[in-house]
Amino acid sequence: AQKITQTQPGMFVQEKEAVTLDCTYDTSDQSYGLFWYKQPSSGEMIFLIYQGSYDEQNATEGRYSLNFQKARKSANLVISASQLGDSAMYFCAMREGRGADGLTFGKGTHLIIQP
Amino acid sequence: SAVISQKPSRDICQRGTSLTIQCQVDSQVTMMFWYRQQPGQSLTLIATANQGSEATYESGFVIDKFPISRPNLTFSTLTVSNMSPEDSSIYLCSVDPGGGWGNEQFFGPGTRLTVL
Repeated sequence: AQKITQTQPGMFVQEKEAVTLDCTYDTSDQSYGLFWYKQPSSGEMIFLIYQGSYDEQNATEGRYSLNFQKARKSANLVISASQLGDSAMYFCAMREGRGADGLTFGKGTHLIIQP
Repeated sequence: SAVISQKPSRDICQRGTSLTIQCQVDSQVTMMFWYRQQPGQSLTLIATANQGSEATYESGFVIDKFPISRPNLTFSTLTVSNMSPEDSSIYLCSVDPGGGWGNEQFFGPGTRLTVL
């Protein structure tokens, strides 16, 4: 079974609209971390936001927020007021175990912001 | 934070040859990771390389194919051995300066490998 599932291969959104990128995860660990990364066409991996399994409040970083629904094992990324520069691949990732492991990534969502 | 450089940035190689990729970090880090990103795909963890211990490989990756060195806390190499066209990918190293859950893993710029 996939540990990270991103069901939206591609999305088109009008500039200035809010966008939600879906991510569901599968783990039996009680302690884990969820991450979102942005990968523009240049290929660099840009960290956006993090949510810990024990965090009671949803994480926010500027225009990015993470809608964390633990019971549903869902960690959706919300981008408010989208901009043309938000066009990129977006990856959801999880860290399990003792925190000493690498990340497991979802397949990604290709977001295109239209003017 | 951490600034990571990788060499080479890209290379075109012949099948059957080997390529060693270098990863340099501007600060001492315990945990270092190597990932592969095949064309149009997501990132897959190859191995975890901690200084002072043998690298730990993920399922589907073996030491004979992807030997890793970690001689100190700022440097690591990944070798792609006996290459085939299926090894054409971007190889990225990443580090976790802080350790633990809530810390960002910083990624290097990647090495784009094409095998002919």
